[in-house]
Amino acid sequence: AQSVTQLGSHVSVSEGALVLLRCNYSSSVPPYLFWYVQYPNQGLQLLLKYTSAATLVKGINGFEAEFKKSETSFHLTKPSAHMSDAAEYFCAVSPYGGATNKLIFGTGTLLAVQP
Amino acid sequence: DAGITQSPRHKVTETGTPVTLRCHQTENHRYMYWYRQDPGHGLRLIHYSYGVKDTDKGEVSDGYSVSRSKTEDFLLTLESATSSQTSVYFCAISESVIQGGYGYTFGSGTRLTVV
Repeated sequence: AQSVTQLGSHVSVSEGALVLLRCNYSSSVPPYLFWYVQYPNQGLQLLLKYTSAATLVKGINGFEAEFKKSETSFHLTKPSAHMSDAAEYFCAVSPYGGATNKLIFGTGTLLAVQP
Repeated sequence: DAGITQSPRHKVTETGTPVTLRCHQTENHRYMYWYRQDPGHGLRLIHYSYGVKDTDKGEVSDGYSVSRSKTEDFLLTLESATSSQTSVYFCAISESVIQGGYGYTFGSGTRLTVV
């Protein structure tokens, strides 16, 4: 069975500091991996996705993530945090070529950005 | 979100009553999903559909049923609402799995309170 684990339910950084949100996956087949962001009282928006092309994936708002098969990780980073980055972030996995395209989500990491 | 609408946005209902939530899409996407979001659990799949009248259960389907009689509409019914079904419900859509890895587009959610 596939799953994702997000380490740290709450992360706090200072404005301008590096953002690092951790995601480890478990999958018996090559996975698709995704990061979503959720702002208060809104639905989820796709930040970026890994689909077996380049291992370093760039997304919107300056975020990027690196797929590391040896570590089964897909950590999300941003060099310099902005106040507007405060939100909840979800990692998700889907089986490559799966029949129904289902996504399995992690439990989320709430990012706080301090001035 | 553009192309996907959930209704109602907020609802308060009494224990034991049936409730139906509606998801409407204008994207002509084949796949539709219902998730619930609860603190500490992230998003959990309730039911999904891979075409008109083709639906299947997710990981937390007990107490819920779905119907999809048209491509654009996916209904979620709580047969007899309980307090444990108080949650935020999200609908999502995705494109053909053959293209794979597209992720989902989410609706804005329905906040349901069962009293």
